[in-house]
Amino acid sequence: NAGVTQTPKFQVLKTGQSMTLQCAQDMNHEYMSWYRQDPGMGLRLIHYSVGAGITDQGEVPNGYNVSRSTTEDFPLRLLSAAPSQTSVYFCASSPPGQSYEQYFGPGTRLTVT
Amino acid sequence: AQRVTQPEKLLSVFKGAPVELKCNYSYSGSPELFWYVQYSRQRLQLLLRHISRESIKGFTADLNKGETSFHLKKPFAQEEDSAMYYCALRGDNFNKFYFGSGTKLNVKP
Repeated sequence: NAGVTQTPKFQVLKTGQSMTLQCAQDMNHEYMSWYRQDPGMGLRLIHYSVGAGITDQGEVPNGYNVSRSTTEDFPLRLLSAAPSQTSVYFCASSPPGQSYEQYFGPGTRLTVT
Repeated sequence: AQRVTQPEKLLSVFKGAPVELKCNYSYSGSPELFWYVQYSRQRLQLLLRHISRESIKGFTADLNKGETSFHLKKPFAQEEDSAMYYCALRGDNFNKFYFGSGTKLNVKP
């Protein structure tokens, strides 16, 4: 199993550009989530999904869209990037019945200039 | 509102010394508390949860509802314990986790 994979590892965007951060897992996990990590602030939940076709907002959802068309994939879309979205983004997934045990991806470092 | 506070950004101890990483939380209901750890060049991973009441790698943590704390303790630190430690909470919505800002533990030889 590859576990949770994220692409790209690094990305630089200009203000106003759009992009999609990819997240995939091959463990048949129902729960998937996206976090952002900023210095001194820990991880903050952006969006989460409890299964294909079901998504919901986390703590800081503004400026981000998600969809969950398959169990494996949970992409995060930035429609119009802003410097405030410069951060490290982590995707995580959890097995059925064990949503407390999140398996994290390696992260994507995004810089918006 | 839910909030997790880890007051120490960095904690340095010598090998063999006791370790206590502090975590305080704010939540009006019955929270579930966790400790996650990130070792150098590894991914963030679950260390322990308060419900299981286990000792993992010699670490324990007790939920103190009166003091709203969930401090992580180990009686004798090892160099391999050096890592970033995050305290996390989830409340009535089991799908939403709230993380603290993390404490970097440095165990010196």
